Amino acid sequence: DTEVTQTPKHLVMGMTNKKSLKCEQHMGHRAMYWYKQKAKKPPELMFVYSYEKLSINESVPSRFSPECPNSSLLNLHLHALQPEDSALYLCASSQETNRDWGEKLFFGSGTQLSVL
Amino acid sequence: GENVEQHPSTLSVQEGDSAVIKCTYSDSASNYFPWYKQELGKGPQLIIDIRSNVGEKKDQRIAVTLNKTAKHFSLHITETQPEDSAVYFCAASRSGNQFYFGTGTSLTVIP
Repeated sequence: DTEVTQTPKHLVMGMTNKKSLKCEQHMGHRAMYWYKQKAKKPPELMFVYSYEKLSINESVPSRFSPECPNSSLLNLHLHALQPEDSALYLCASSQETNRDWGEKLFFGSGTQLSVL
Repeated sequence: GENVEQHPSTLSVQEGDSAVIKCTYSDSASNYFPWYKQELGKGPQLIIDIRSNVGEKKDQRIAVTLNKTAKHFSLHITETQPEDSAVYFCAASRSGNQFYFGTGTSLTVIP
């Protein structure tokens, strides 16, 4: 199983709503990532969890709140978003076993988020 | 930090022709260089990668070459097919969880 599964695939929310994005992998990877991608742009890193601990937060606004309940699951809680937060949100994972080399990064299909 | 530049931003080729996409990087400590293909409405898919201890890697119709001295690496697709049409991203990484992506190349293969 080399899949990273994200739900939902599409989400429309108002600026006062609270919603959550979910991500799951069963490859035994110990690093999980959230990226944000605008149309025709490369993915932008938001958060990294390494061994279930938040290791990188790229100065993301607090209206985005990540959570890693266990090594296979990653959530992104959304609250009071702005229309400019509309984007494709991608989850990714990597093994996190080799500290000398960069490692393969596997992406999910993403959640297309629209904030009205 | 690392800076990855990618060219061209758009590329159109006739079916059966070859396509080449080039990236340059700035950090000599980067040692891992993956290429991703992203189709509309989908997440990036890893198609080939290379480590800095190797100069070239090939997988069927796709190949990647790396020139460490010049700090550039390239994706080569031969015998292009319409299903190769997508956006391609290069990236550079070293130990740790930071991946630096190029700006992307939109490839169109004309039947």
